[in-house]
Amino acid sequence: NAGVTQTPKFRVLKTGQSMTLLCAQDMNHEYMYWYRQDPGMGLRLIHYSVGEGTTAKGEVPDGYNVSRLKKQNFLLGLESAAPSQTSVYFCASTPIMAYNEQFFGPGTRLTVL
Amino acid sequence: QQQVKQSPQSLIVQKGGISIINCAYENTAFDYFPWYQQFPGKGPALLIAIRPDVSEKKEGRFTISFNKSAKQFSLHIMDSQPGDSATYFCAARITGGGNKLTFGTGTQLKVEL
Repeated sequence: NAGVTQTPKFRVLKTGQSMTLLCAQDMNHEYMYWYRQDPGMGLRLIHYSVGEGTTAKGEVPDGYNVSRLKKQNFLLGLESAAPSQTSVYFCASTPIMAYNEQFFGPGTRLTVL
Repeated sequence: QQQVKQSPQSLIVQKGGISIINCAYENTAFDYFPWYQQFPGKGPALLIAIRPDVSEKKEGRFTISFNKSAKQFSLHIMDSQPGDSATYFCAARITGGGNKLTFGTGTQLKVEL
């Protein structure tokens, strides 16, 4: 049982390049989330999904797109990376039941030059 | 707009001392208040959580105190240990709509020998 895994762990991009971050969970959780973590700003929700085939915007969605084609995977895409997207990205998942914790992945450190 | 305000930003405590981190919120629709602990290079992990129908919850050396009328809650770490050195995030959740969490900005705790 690997829990929540994220690929890649580190990535350096040039401004304007695109990339996709992959999140996978093996706990059969319905809900999945993408956050970004920046110094002094805590964790901010980018997009989330309440089930396969569904996605919704969070607090800071601009510049990102997501897809949930399979229940166990949640992809975060950057179409044209900007230096402001330099951050640590975390994926999380949780079962549909109330009062359940969100399980976080180990994070992806992204630098945009 | 920061819906959950957390203080202090950083905290240094002597081994064996009490660490106290405070959070305040405005949205009365929040119905679940977890605390997450994050070690360097790792994803956050649930530490302890409370619902607003109780005023205190204790798990080992960790206690949440909740003041519904003041819209404040705090984390107390008794007998603080060097292994408690980490970043702590308070959070608040609104039921439904994906069970999204709003996080505080984090407190970096260092426990010195």
